[in-house]
Amino acid sequence: GQNIDQPTEMTATEGAIVQINCTYQTSGFNGLFWYQQHAGEAPTFLSYNVLDGLEEKGRFSSFLSRSKGYSYLLLKELQMKDSASYLCAALDSNYQLIWGAGTKLIIKP
Amino acid sequence: DGGITQSPKYLFRKEGQNVTLSCEQNLNHDAMYWYRQDPGQGLRLIYYSQIVNDFQKGDIAEGYSVSREKKESFPLTVTSAQKNPTAFYLCASSTGQGAETQYFGPGTRLLVL
Repeated sequence: GQNIDQPTEMTATEGAIVQINCTYQTSGFNGLFWYQQHAGEAPTFLSYNVLDGLEEKGRFSSFLSRSKGYSYLLLKELQMKDSASYLCAALDSNYQLIWGAGTKLIIKP
Repeated sequence: DGGITQSPKYLFRKEGQNVTLSCEQNLNHDAMYWYRQDPGQGLRLIYYSQIVNDFQKGDIAEGYSVSREKKESFPLTVTSAQKNPTAFYLCASSTGQGAETQYFGPGTRLLVL
C-alpha cells in the first residue's frame, strides 16, 4: 500500500532551527510536496522536490533522497508565525497526491 | 485577484439532508479536486476533474456527488448517504499538466445538527 509517515507534533524555540522528517512508500514517484497549514485555514504550497538534494528558499529548505524514500523540511530562524501544521505529500505514478497526516509545529518564545 | 473561493465557510446539515458546497476558481486551471480533512489524518481525495464535463472518483467518493459543467466551478454535494459528514472540506485546483502544484481554497467546515 501507499503510505506517508511524519511525526505528529514537534516543539521548538523561537529563533532556533527545526527539521521535520517525512518518509514515503508509493506506487511510483513523481515528486514530493511540502505545504504549510495554519489552523482552520487552507494549505499553502512551500516546496516541491523531484531530484535528490537540497532546495533552499529563504528560511525554508527541503531535502529529498529518492533511494531512501525520505524527505525533510528545514525551518531556520523560527518565528512565532511558523506555528502551523506541515503537510508532506508524495505524487505517485498516476500523478495522485498521497498525503501524510501532518506535523503540528509548536513554537515557544 | 486570482484565486479559489469556497462557500459557505461553515455549513450545518440536518439528518437526511443533502447539502452542496461551492468551489469557484478564476485561475484558468483545468483540474479541480475535493478533499476531506479529519483530525489526525491526511487529506483524502473525494473526487477530481481534469476537464469540463468529466470527473473521477477518488478514494472516498461514497456518499458524495459532483458536477463540472463549467471550467470555473466544481460543486460538491454531500448526500444523506454519507453517514459521517462532519469534516473540513477543501477544494483545490491545478493546471492539470503532470506534476503541478495544487492551490487550495479556504475550506468549508461541515457540521451535523
